[in-house]
Amino acid sequence: QVQLVQSGPEVKKPGASVKVSCKTSGYTFVNFGIGWVRQAPGQGLEWMGWVGTYYGHTNYAQSFQGRVAMTTDTSTNTAFMELRGLTSDDTAVYYCTRLSLAYYAMDVWGQGTTVTVS
Amino acid sequence: EIVLTQSPGTLSLSPGDRATLSCTASHYITSTSLAWYQHIPGQPPRLLIYGASTRATGIPDRFSGSGSGTDFTLIISRLEPEDFVLYYCHHYGSSPGAFGQGTKVEIK
Repeated sequence: QVQLVQSGPEVKKPGASVKVSCKTSGYTFVNFGIGWVRQAPGQGLEWMGWVGTYYGHTNYAQSFQGRVAMTTDTSTNTAFMELRGLTSDDTAVYYCTRLSLAYYAMDVWGQGTTVTVS
Repeated sequence: EIVLTQSPGTLSLSPGDRATLSCTASHYITSTSLAWYQHIPGQPPRLLIYGASTRATGIPDRFSGSGSGTDFTLIISRLEPEDFVLYYCHHYGSSPGAFGQGTKVEIK
């Protein structure tokens, strides 16, 4: 079945970077994009952006421009999200999602990765 | 950048009631780019509706979506106990994408 399995929890110091991985299986990787969403404690869902798996093009939310990099590795069907210049406001659960480019919807989600900045 | 505004912030209803959730976009968006998600805290969100009105696989028919332009609606026709959770609308398209701030459906 379709699965997105994310890397484990991270604890980082302010100013550091974090790189979260998202290993996919059960579908043709290059036929879908990968979206990234986060949820800070007590807050709603926040769209971070997405990466196209075929050409690697990206589209980031304005609030993350210059600080985030979303990449993919088609040899391992894995996506990555790196966030730099961490502050306590970046403490959140980060989700990767399978993004249907035909239906503009995120139909499968990873289990989430908790990133704590302290 | 598109801003999505959901209303109400909290909806207090009883099991069996009808729930009407609204999502208003700051600018015109295509219906194909609007989706609804259900979120149970502690779990990943679940896709309910895409293309403004198409139910995702396995979603019960008590969930329906409608709307166009800037105004979109999610209706839950008869609330079941497991429906008392959070709901978000989301836009993705040529612009970077955004979520609404969410509507919490709580038991009255």
